[in-house]
Amino acid sequence: EPEVTQTPSHQVTQMGQEVILRCVPISNHLYFYWYRQILGQKVEFLVSFYNNEISEKSEIFDDQFSVERPDGSNFTLKIRSTKLEDSAMYFCASSEWTANEQFFGPGTRLTVL
Amino acid sequence: DAKTTQPPSMDCAEGRAANLPCNHSTISGNEYVYWYRQIHSQGPQYIIHGLKNNETNEMASLIITEDRKSSTLILPHATLRDTAVYYCIVRVAGVGNNRKLIWGLGTSLAVNP
Repeated sequence: EPEVTQTPSHQVTQMGQEVILRCVPISNHLYFYWYRQILGQKVEFLVSFYNNEISEKSEIFDDQFSVERPDGSNFTLKIRSTKLEDSAMYFCASSEWTANEQFFGPGTRLTVL
Repeated sequence: DAKTTQPPSMDCAEGRAANLPCNHSTISGNEYVYWYRQIHSQGPQYIIHGLKNNETNEMASLIITEDRKSSTLILPHATLRDTAVYYCIVRVAGVGNNRKLIWGLGTSLAVNP
């Protein structure tokens, strides 16, 4: 069964450093999403992406964040200058089209020291 | 904010049916009810969704009241592997924005041997 994959599973970085989280969505899906979950808190929407552009973003997704689909398979989330409060699980998801269910990857645990 | 309310926790005996309630009294006519679950900080997993008719798949059944103000997710024969946090989410279907999933705190279901 096709699945969303994410790398790395755990990323440790120093405050102020740039990180890139990578996702490979399910191959025939057209819509891509990033969510995050701070330990013990709710899952929060960050951004959705379709047709090589952002279709929606939350207040969390400020100028420090960017997304890109550099090739036909990868979908990346970049944080330019990490802060301590960026420490969280980051989940990538994809869907076939808007009304369908979103399939989630296993997540990347980001720890900012 | 999430448009749903769920009990924070529930218990269920292994092999018995687990009935998880959700209130969504402000649901709009074009909003679907989605259910996801998250097992111990893994990526959320889609379970089922519906608009106004009852739905069943290999994982669960979804019962939506006639006025659509509440719903119940039924796991017919709960197993220990069903121990997870269950999220009820309402979401607009179709094209356009508002594809994001807005998460509440969910119901933490403990299936006991």
